Amino acid sequence: DTAVSQTPKYLVTQMGNDKSIKCEQNLGHDTMYWYKQDSKKFLKIMFSYNNKELIINETVPNRFSPKSPDKAHLNLHINSLELGDSAVYFCASSQEARNTEAFFGQGTRLTVV
Amino acid sequence: RKEVEQDPGPFNVPEGATVAFNCTYSNSASQSFFWYRQDCRKEPKLLMSVYSSGNEDGRFTAQLNRASQYISLLIRDSKLSDSATYLCAVSNQGGKLIFGQGTELSVKP
Repeated sequence: DTAVSQTPKYLVTQMGNDKSIKCEQNLGHDTMYWYKQDSKKFLKIMFSYNNKELIINETVPNRFSPKSPDKAHLNLHINSLELGDSAVYFCASSQEARNTEAFFGQGTRLTVV
Repeated sequence: RKEVEQDPGPFNVPEGATVAFNCTYSNSASQSFFWYRQDCRKEPKLLMSVYSSGNEDGRFTAQLNRASQYISLLIRDSKLSDSATYLCAVSNQGGKLIFGQGTELSVKP
């Protein structure tokens, strides 16, 4: 059983489109995250939710909107995609918001053309 | 200044070598520290947590120096399978888990 699963694994889309990435965790964790890893491999936090509530919102364009329907799911919707959005997006979860390690999904490789 | 910084790498070492990675963090209120390993085109996976007293797991030793605000990872007797990118991560009270930029290790026969 996959602990943190994301779909799709690969996403190729044209500029200007709107797309969503889904994430689910079956670990019973309270906290979920979205990270972006760019071409230089730098892993940068975007958002964090704890029990469906947004607790971290980094400086991310408002074209990116996370949604957590329940604590096991955290989806990411991106409007008006731009070339610079091309990256690998990782979902992760942790037992609680503080002081516990995060478990990552396998990543969604987004390519905007 | 980045919140978490690592040695730039890449590190190219022969099998059997000992290699050390350092990572510095800027927030003195940081509470938890980790080393992750990321293989090419894969997700990061936890290698080990780092405790104040230092901790060891087989060939891997992690240490924390709160006064100087750095953590280290020592790999002894390197194996080909240790080739990967090693990421340090630091979390603060707000629950933000911040990663360094990663250090690439390549172990050669």
